[in-house]
Amino acid sequence: GENVEQHPSTLSVQEGDSAVIKCTYSDSASNYFPWYKQELGKRPQLIIDIRSNVGEKKDQRIAVTLNKTAKHFSLHITETQPEDSAVYFCAASFGSGNTGKLIFGQGTTLQVKP
Amino acid sequence: DTGVSQDPRHKITKRGQNVTFRCDPISEHNRLYWYRQTLGQGPEFLTYFQNEAQLEKSRLLSDRFSAERPKGSFSTLEIQRTEQGDSAMYLCASSQGSGSNQPQHFGDGTRLSIL
Repeated sequence: GENVEQHPSTLSVQEGDSAVIKCTYSDSASNYFPWYKQELGKRPQLIIDIRSNVGEKKDQRIAVTLNKTAKHFSLHITETQPEDSAVYFCAASFGSGNTGKLIFGQGTTLQVKP
Repeated sequence: DTGVSQDPRHKITKRGQNVTFRCDPISEHNRLYWYRQTLGQGPEFLTYFQNEAQLEKSRLLSDRFSAERPKGSFSTLEIQRTEQGDSAMYLCASSQGSGSNQPQHFGDGTRLSIL
């Protein structure tokens, strides 16, 4: 079936530490893996994405890695800041016919303590 | 603001009533998606349009739900005979391109509360 598993569900780190969130997906045909940040009462905001022909992508303090063989991808945030506190969702594209339908993980609540 | 806009932001209605939501995608985005999000969960796919054609609907979407995108620009999502379980945030997203690996940008959503 179409499934994305995300761990951990909550993560608390000290300011300046690194945070890692992990996801696995069920469909080997998935080719696109975005990460969204959602603050309370706001829209999901795309923060980084990776396509299946790339193993790693970095944007300043944020990086994503993809292991297609293991059907596993991860978000890495370095030098965390209090404003990084939010819910983070991973997602994977599913379905035949080129729809781009995203299946989301259950979310990780990240708390960065000052 | 040229992002995805949704209207209304909040809708409170009694059980059994019909409701309609509107989504205006980013200009010239040919792909439009509707998702539903309940508290503490990730967005759940409902339906997808490429231009004016509705190409996929979730099997979870009951026949009380209908969506249109008549001119390939804005879209509407209607829920008939609303039920308590329909209470959720309804999110719209749009993207541009021919491939399935294009970034989707979300609107602020319409929060539906069923009394």
